[in-house]
Amino acid sequence: QKEVEQNSGPLSVPEGAIASLNCTYSDRGSQSFFWYRQYSGKSPELIMFIYSNGDKEDGRFTAQLNKASQYVSLLIRDSQPSDSATYLCAVNKNNQGGKLIFGQGTELSVKP
Amino acid sequence: KAGVTQTPRYLIKTRGQQVTLSCSPISGHRSVSWYQQTPGQGLQFLFEYFSETQRNKGNFPGRFSGRQFSNSRSEMNVSTLELGDSALYLCASSSLAGGGETQYFGPGTRLLVL
Repeated sequence: QKEVEQNSGPLSVPEGAIASLNCTYSDRGSQSFFWYRQYSGKSPELIMFIYSNGDKEDGRFTAQLNKASQYVSLLIRDSQPSDSATYLCAVNKNNQGGKLIFGQGTELSVKP
Repeated sequence: KAGVTQTPRYLIKTRGQQVTLSCSPISGHRSVSWYQQTPGQGLQFLFEYFSETQRNKGNFPGRFSGRQFSNSRSEMNVSTLELGDSALYLCASSSLAGGGETQYFGPGTRLLVL
């Protein structure tokens, strides 16, 4: 079992719809959770981080964390073609400094 | 504030050679982490340096090494290059001394080993 798992996609949604990206992790001691966006040929760009159970909203993005279910998700409202990218879920285990464990990423395609 | 910078951006080497990559973190950030990204394995953690000390290490062979200088700039070295070392090498910096740091990535160095 991989430490951080994501559906590889591609996930295709129409413009204006809500895109839902999911991530599960195996280590219950995980403390911090991050979502990065990576455009083809570019480096990952931080979108959001979440530490506590519940929802965290930032503009069109909402991160949801459920530690009991070991599940973290990212919702993108009013999806735009410019949101088309690979979304990477990353986990910091037991506050292990600067060591992030990444999922394989979910490719999102937003169709005009 | 300037972002994380990495040099060089592109590199072509042949098997058996060695390579040194450089990373300058965001001003004030003291932690630098290095990652390798390949299509097959995704993003994998190499090591992290904080205040010139290696604080975490991933599961890579000893051919991969790094160091950090007093100004927080970091270098990683790969000796005896193999074809499988072809990858995008990313460094990321963060500011917090404790856990749960938010990391910001540089543009990466794309290494091709022939």
